[in-house]
Amino acid sequence: AQSVTQPDIHITVSEGASLELRCNYSYGATPYLFWYVQSPGQGLQLLLKYFSGDTLVQGIKGFEAEFKRSQSSFNLRKPSVHWSDAAEYFCAVGAWGQNFVFGPGTRLSVLP
Amino acid sequence: DTGVSQDPRHKITKRGQNVTFRCDPISEHNRLYWYRQTLGQGPEFLTYFQNEAQLEKSRLLSDRFSAERPKGSFSTLEIQRTEQGDSAMYLCASSLVRDAKETQYFGPGTRLLVL
Repeated sequence: AQSVTQPDIHITVSEGASLELRCNYSYGATPYLFWYVQSPGQGLQLLLKYFSGDTLVQGIKGFEAEFKRSQSSFNLRKPSVHWSDAAEYFCAVGAWGQNFVFGPGTRLSVLP
Repeated sequence: DTGVSQDPRHKITKRGQNVTFRCDPISEHNRLYWYRQTLGQGPEFLTYFQNEAQLEKSRLLSDRFSAERPKGSFSTLEIQRTEQGDSAMYLCASSLVRDAKETQYFGPGTRLLVL
């Protein structure tokens, strides 16, 4: 069965510190990979996506993610976190002809 | 690009009442999705349309739920005889499938509370 795991339910970092959010997936087909961010009471905003090619992808707001096929991972990183980055982050996996599957999310808190 | 819009943003209803939500996708997008999201969880797929055709429905979508996309543009999701367990955020997303790839863009959601 297709599944997405985000091992960290909640992460707290200090403003200015680096960030890495983990995403692991189990998927039969060659996956497309996405990271979305959700602020409280809002919809999901696309941060970045990977279809093929360069395994390091850049997104909005200074985020990047690296696809590692051997580890079935697509971890999200940011070198310096801002207070406005506090939100819920969702990893999603899809493929042609398959529905998107979302992870349970990681809540990010940022300390001043 | 005006983005995906949803109406209403919030809905409070009493158990047993019917509710209807509307989603307006990005204008050139041919696919439209409905998801349900409960607190602390990621979105769960409910159903999707390609143009006006409803191509797939999740087992989560009981017979009290019905969705339409009459002209391949906006879509409605109706819940009949609401139950307290229907309380959730209902998210709509749209996409344009191109070269066997798609990216889903989400609306702000409709938060439903069933009393």
